[in-house]
Amino acid sequence: DIQMTQSPSSLSASVGDRVTISCRASQTINTYLSWYQQKPGKAPKVLIYAVSRLQSGVPSRFSGSGSETEFTLTISSLQPEDGATYFCHQNFNGRTFGPGTKVE
Amino acid sequence: QVQLQQWGAGLLKPSETLSLTCAVYGGSLSGYFWSWIRQSPGKGLEWVGDISPSGRTDYNPSFKSRATISTDASENQLSLKLTSVTAADTAIYYCASTTGWRDFWGQGTLVTVSS
Repeated sequence: DIQMTQSPSSLSASVGDRVTISCRASQTINTYLSWYQQKPGKAPKVLIYAVSRLQSGVPSRFSGSGSETEFTLTISSLQPEDGATYFCHQNFNGRTFGPGTKVE
Repeated sequence: QVQLQQWGAGLLKPSETLSLTCAVYGGSLSGYFWSWIRQSPGKGLEWVGDISPSGRTDYNPSFKSRATISTDASENQLSLKLTSVTAADTAIYYCASTTGWRDFWGQGTLVTVSS
């Protein structure tokens, strides 16, 4: 099984801050890495897929980078509506989600 | 726009079988990967399994053959059965088609397992 870890598990930041969330896979997952945002009571929605491809309709302040086993989600200028939990996800072999990062 | 509507029993006793159905509207079941993903209260996301366009299934080993995913193309529906449930299976269960840019989710069904 491929394990996914994320850091930090939670963070508190101010509007306008640059926020970075890290994700690590237990083995190489090529470009099969996505990032999801989930707000309370809602299903997750994809923000970034294939490491760095921005989903249609997602603000350009979200970006993704990384390779092999190390990946990053960056929010360049945090907005109030970005308060949510963020999960990384691999579908290189089966599917695994990271434990999540709660952004307040 | 594709919409997923899911339903099933929300309260089960230990050892019973969880059975959920997900109907696809505004699009075809055929040609896409479909998944069941669950989320325990206050916890993260856990993949249950996938079914491919060819009907091949792939499951999270954690479910040790308890899970069965199937599709009914005539009804445009996807289903999940999970046998021998315990309290640890209490979760919100989502059907989804989420690969690359394609990202559609059901509304989620809370399943509680309690004696």
